[in-house]
Amino acid sequence: IAGITQAPTSQILAAGRRMTLRCTQDMRHNAMYWYRQDLGLGLRLIHYSNTAGTTGKGEVPDGYSVSRANTDDFPLTLASAVPSQTSVYFCASSLTPGQGHNEQFFGPGTRLTVL
Amino acid sequence: GQNIDQPTEMTATEGAIVQINCTYQTSGFNGLFWYQQHAGEAPTFLSYNVLDGLEEKGRFSSFLSRSKGYSYLLLKELQMKDSASYLCAVRDSNYQLIWGAGTKLIIKP
Repeated sequence: IAGITQAPTSQILAAGRRMTLRCTQDMRHNAMYWYRQDLGLGLRLIHYSNTAGTTGKGEVPDGYSVSRANTDDFPLTLASAVPSQTSVYFCASSLTPGQGHNEQFFGPGTRLTVL
Repeated sequence: GQNIDQPTEMTATEGAIVQINCTYQTSGFNGLFWYQQHAGEAPTFLSYNVLDGLEEKGRFSSFLSRSKGYSYLLLKELQMKDSASYLCAVRDSNYQLIWGAGTKLIIKP
């Protein structure tokens, strides 16, 4: 692996089903993030993790949960999907969450449709 | 509340220069980023400004005025491959990025 990967690439899901979006990075970055991107809106932060073992809520956390058991993986779970969760989901990572030129690197995204 | 404003869409001609503006109102400021996003792809980093002034990187330059809450991205010698959305993001007092909705740049031959 080189960089940050996400799986699946796309998914169609029935409302009420549980779904986990996977994200793995091999850059040994401390911080990881989950965003959703909807047409006409900026990227919105769902959850983040500044370091393994810690997580925090972003701007739109309701209906989503995350875990950070190790440095590399940061899965996002939808416990019971609803149509408003139809979106493109991006995972990102950065060396640290703090000051300085710590740009975020993005995975290729997961396109999720909830019917 | 926190707000990042960018024009929704701009059109420019191949070989020309275009300036994409971004204004922001955020709770704290710890740097401003510009990203490029081609349709159907992930955002990729272009530039970072934390002090006032101009940062130049090849054909792309980015300017920041913290007192005015204003930045712009300047693209010179436009190429067809520059057709993309350009995203402005500000790192706030919690060190989280607040994103604008992006500016779709259309390049015409």
